Amino acid sequence: SQELEQSPQSLIVQEGKNLTINCTSSKTLYGLYWYKQKYGEGLIFLMMLQKGGEEKSHEKITAKLDEKKQQSSLHITASQPSHAGIYLCGADSNFNKFYFGSGTKLNVKP
Amino acid sequence: DTAVSQTPKYLVTQMGNDKSIKCEQNLGHDTMYWYKQDSKKFLKIMFSYNNKELIINETVPNRFSPKSPDKAHLNLHINSLELGDSAVYFCASSQVAGSEQYFGPGTRLTVT
Repeated sequence: SQELEQSPQSLIVQEGKNLTINCTSSKTLYGLYWYKQKYGEGLIFLMMLQKGGEEKSHEKITAKLDEKKQQSSLHITASQPSHAGIYLCGADSNFNKFYFGSGTKLNVKP
Repeated sequence: DTAVSQTPKYLVTQMGNDKSIKCEQNLGHDTMYWYKQDSKKFLKIMFSYNNKELIINETVPNRFSPKSPDKAHLNLHINSLELGDSAVYFCASSQVAGSEQYFGPGTRLTVT
């Protein structure tokens, strides 16, 4: 079974709209990572969250980790076509074990 | 300079052949990884090496053998390729095991 559940699986939004992607684990996480994969390319590291309640922002992207450290959300404000891609959450559940969610495919319509 | 590089970027080969994918990182990281991304874009870890020593070896066929000549390189050799091996293989590295990982561009392997 998958360690991390991501939702939604795919998302189409109009340019300028806000959106949220969720990542949920059944286990307490030691670290939660967000990556972005542009179609046909490698993964780009976005943010890492480690503390319960932690929130980080970079440009128009904000990631949060809940107090229990089992759920994270990635929020994009005023989306742009450049935000399109596949967003993956990854997590440490045990030392040396790293898991990825199944990804959320985002399309932004101009 | 590319932080994590993989070669080749594309690899098309026939069933039964043996092939290798190379990975190099110039970040000075201690840990390197190989992931397989299936057609549904799900990433699954295959191997992890820390300072040239194997620390994670997930359930993958024995036909897959990683080799780490030094801590900056982690190569993946695949024997007797099968159709089901077709996927994108990503190499990654991290400062230490458990810290954020930096990924290579991926190698798209197609077995015909």
